[in-house]
Amino acid sequence: AQSVTQLDSQVPVFEEAPVELRCNYSSSVSVYLFWYVQYPNQGLQLLLKYLSGSTLVKGINGFEAEFNKSQTSFHLRKPSVHISDTAEYFCAVSDYNTGTASKLTFGTGTRLQVTL
Amino acid sequence: GAGVSQSPSNKVTEKGKDVELRCDPISGHTALYWYRQSLGQGLEFLIYFQGNSAPDKSGLPSDRFSAERTGGSVSTLTIQRTQQEDSAVYLCASSLYGSYNEQFFGPGTRLTVL
Repeated sequence: AQSVTQLDSQVPVFEEAPVELRCNYSSSVSVYLFWYVQYPNQGLQLLLKYLSGSTLVKGINGFEAEFNKSQTSFHLRKPSVHISDTAEYFCAVSDYNTGTASKLTFGTGTRLQVTL
Repeated sequence: GAGVSQSPSNKVTEKGKDVELRCDPISGHTALYWYRQSLGQGLEFLIYFQGNSAPDKSGLPSDRFSAERTGGSVSTLTIQRTQQEDSAVYLCASSLYGSYNEQFFGPGTRLTVL
């Protein structure tokens, strides 16, 4: 069984400050890792994904994440946030399988609140 | 191109009634998934379909929930004898075979059971 832990339910930050949203996972098999963002009253949008290779992954909107296998972590970072980054962020894992469909297991989400 | 679409966007029903929620995946996507998002349970997997394979129903919470996918495209999630605890946002996603399980999500259907 897989599980994802997002320790911070809410992260308040001032505009233009850096931010890190933490994600730890547990799995008995290799996994793919994802970060999704959800703006109010919208569906989920993929920010970035880790499949294999370089442990530093860059995504949309200036976000990046680093995969750390020894710490089973996949923390999301942005060097300078904007008001428009205010949203709910979800970390997710799925089985490592190039072809077959597989469910995503999500963390409980982190609410990023950016203020002036 | 068009993304994943879901209808209706909002559904209010009375306890005990049946509801049907519809999902139109991205054209050509081989896999389709249903998830539920609620305050108490977060984002939960319900079911997925891939091609002609038997669906993975392991996330369905009870036998009141069922889903079908016709012609490898549109999917309908049916909840029979709705209960108040079924109130949630139901999200549909689709993915393409060989895409490393990158799933694209629709806007969701908000279900309220009175």
